[in-house]
Amino acid sequence: AQSVTQLGSHVSVSEGALVLLRCNYSSSVPPYLFWYVQYPNQGLQLLLKYTTGATLVKGINGFEAEFKKSETSFHLTKPSAHMSDAAEYFCAVSISGYSTLTFGKGTMLLVSP
Amino acid sequence: GAVVSQHPSRVICKSGTSVKIECRSLDFQATTMFWYRQFPKQSLMLMATSNEGSKATYEQGVEKDKFLINHASLTLSTLTVTSAHPEDSSFYICSATGASSYNEQFFGPGTRLTVL
Repeated sequence: AQSVTQLGSHVSVSEGALVLLRCNYSSSVPPYLFWYVQYPNQGLQLLLKYTTGATLVKGINGFEAEFKKSETSFHLTKPSAHMSDAAEYFCAVSISGYSTLTFGKGTMLLVSP
Repeated sequence: GAVVSQHPSRVICKSGTSVKIECRSLDFQATTMFWYRQFPKQSLMLMATSNEGSKATYEQGVEKDKFLINHASLTLSTLTVTSAHPEDSSFYICSATGASSYNEQFFGPGTRLTVL
């Protein structure tokens, strides 16, 4: 079984500041890891994913995440926050790209001017 | 990326009525579709997994007689909430994946169900 823990239900940053959203996972098999973003009353949009290979994954909108097996982490970062980044972010794990996703509880990113 | 649509985007119904939500993969064949439920300010909870031509597999605690799922074709899955009650009010999101979706599930925009 897999599980995901997202530390911090809310993260507040100033525009232009570093964004760091934390995600730790547990999995009995090599995981597939995902970060999704959700804007109000909308579905989920994939930011980035890790399947195999390079542990530093670059996604859309300037986001990136690093898979650290020793720390069972997959934290999401962005060097400089933009107002449009304000949204809910979900980390998810699965055992393959086709199997069910287990989501974390989400982190709301608030960006202030 | 691939596109998944849901219809309707929002629906309001009276208690006791049934509501059908459609999930379509527009540009790929979805061998597997997933249905999630999301309560306000909470995460997505998987309700069921449906494979084309097979009966859906429901997660523990989800009433299969209340949430009827049909995946009759490679591009369409439907979720019918039967005899809806106010506690069924929620945001329902589907996702789809297939052999050509490159290790990714594509999510629909969601359906907001409000039961009065």
